[in-house]
Amino acid sequence: GAGVSQTPSNKVTEKGKYVELRCDPISGHTALYWYRQSLGQGPEFLIYFQGTGAADDSGLPNDRFFAVRPEGSVSTLKIQRTERGDSAVYLCASSLRADRLNTEAFFGQGTRLTVV
Amino acid sequence: TQLLEQSPQFLSIQEGENLTVYCNSSSVFSSLQWYRQEPGEGPVLLVTVVTGGEVKKLKRLTFQFGDARKDSSLHITAAQPGDTGLYLCAGFNFGNEKLTFGTGTRLTIIP
Repeated sequence: GAGVSQTPSNKVTEKGKYVELRCDPISGHTALYWYRQSLGQGPEFLIYFQGTGAADDSGLPNDRFFAVRPEGSVSTLKIQRTERGDSAVYLCASSLRADRLNTEAFFGQGTRLTVV
Repeated sequence: TQLLEQSPQFLSIQEGENLTVYCNSSSVFSSLQWYRQEPGEGPVLLVTVVTGGEVKKLKRLTFQFGDARKDSSLHITAAQPGDTGLYLCAGFNFGNEKLTFGTGTRLTIIP
């Protein structure tokens, strides 16, 4: 597809379980961002990839959160031992490259994670 | 940590009125973007401002970047129900290449 695709769109999991959220960015976009958004709030930065490497993971809340982008395209956000406080919409965005001329981020529709 | 505070947090006005949304920070940004987000969707870019003091117009929307590149405003003239949504500012720095979002302003235009 032409846009950023996130799967699943909704995920309900039990407390303590492991979940994986997938992001398929726009083809050719080297920069990829993960954000977490609570209802009515602005997106909270989690991690940013430039190519395959995590250029900035300072937003990951703790070591239960991990993200990979092994081939510089699809990315997976992994959450271990989920807690109820992890419930939120997880947004993925990609941009052509994060430089002076190409800073527009294109967002997916998000994955709504509910931990019960 | 770079923080972007938006005000007001909520705004509900009648169709046809004018409004201004503010985005303020103590940090300097290389550029600042404004996004609009509708329920169940990701944010969509409206505009990017790069130069201190820059003003950009998009139909009834006017965006301004502060001279010191720490703040921005969005002014909507003659608001319409289609303007309803969550408005987000986002600061970008070429040094760390991280896009930091503001706290958001939820705008409701009443027909």
